[in-house]
Amino acid sequence: NAGVTQTPKFQVLKTGQSMTLQCAQDMNHEYMSWYRQDPGMGLRLIHYSVGAGITDQGEVPNGYNVSRSTTEDFPLRLLSAAPSQTSVYFCASSYGNYNSPLHFGNGTRLTVT
Amino acid sequence: QQPVQSPQAVILREGEDAVINCSSSKALYSVHWYRQKHGEAPVFLMILLKGGEQKGHEKISASFNEKKQQSSLYLTASQLSYSGTYFCGTRNNTDKLIFGTGTRLQVFP
Repeated sequence: NAGVTQTPKFQVLKTGQSMTLQCAQDMNHEYMSWYRQDPGMGLRLIHYSVGAGITDQGEVPNGYNVSRSTTEDFPLRLLSAAPSQTSVYFCASSYGNYNSPLHFGNGTRLTVT
Repeated sequence: QQPVQSPQAVILREGEDAVINCSSSKALYSVHWYRQKHGEAPVFLMILLKGGEQKGHEKISASFNEKKQQSSLYLTASQLSYSGTYFCGTRNNTDKLIFGTGTRLQVFP
């Protein structure tokens, strides 16, 4: 049981490049979400999904796309990377109701130069 | 809208107590508490639901006052292992779990 797996762990991009952060969970969780963490800002919700085929915006969605074609996977796409997207990105999943705790992946540290 | 956490930072000696507060301007359906150690992912502590319940987890407990739209996390007889950043996350009537900016707790021997 791997839990929530994020790849890569580290990534350096140049401004304007695109990339996809991968997130997979093996717990059959319906709810998945992406957060970014910046110093002093806490964890800010980018996008989330309540099930396969359903996604919605969080607090800071601009510059990011998501899709949820399967229950297991929830990739985050950066369309044209900007230095302001330098951050640590966490994927998290849960069973989806208000009673369920979030299980976090180990994070991806992204630097955009 | 992010919930507001206070204080922003706490420094304790082992054995001392601390309270971390979390308040929201919107009606809350549930409050989550997580702890994050430096360089690691946040780890779940507890969830509180509407109804003003109080929950405990070893020497860490929490309360939820839905009328005041706030929750408090109580750490008693703190241990070195309690050091880290504590986040509250709140859900109102949507599926979004929104986190506060965190409270950094340092426990010294």
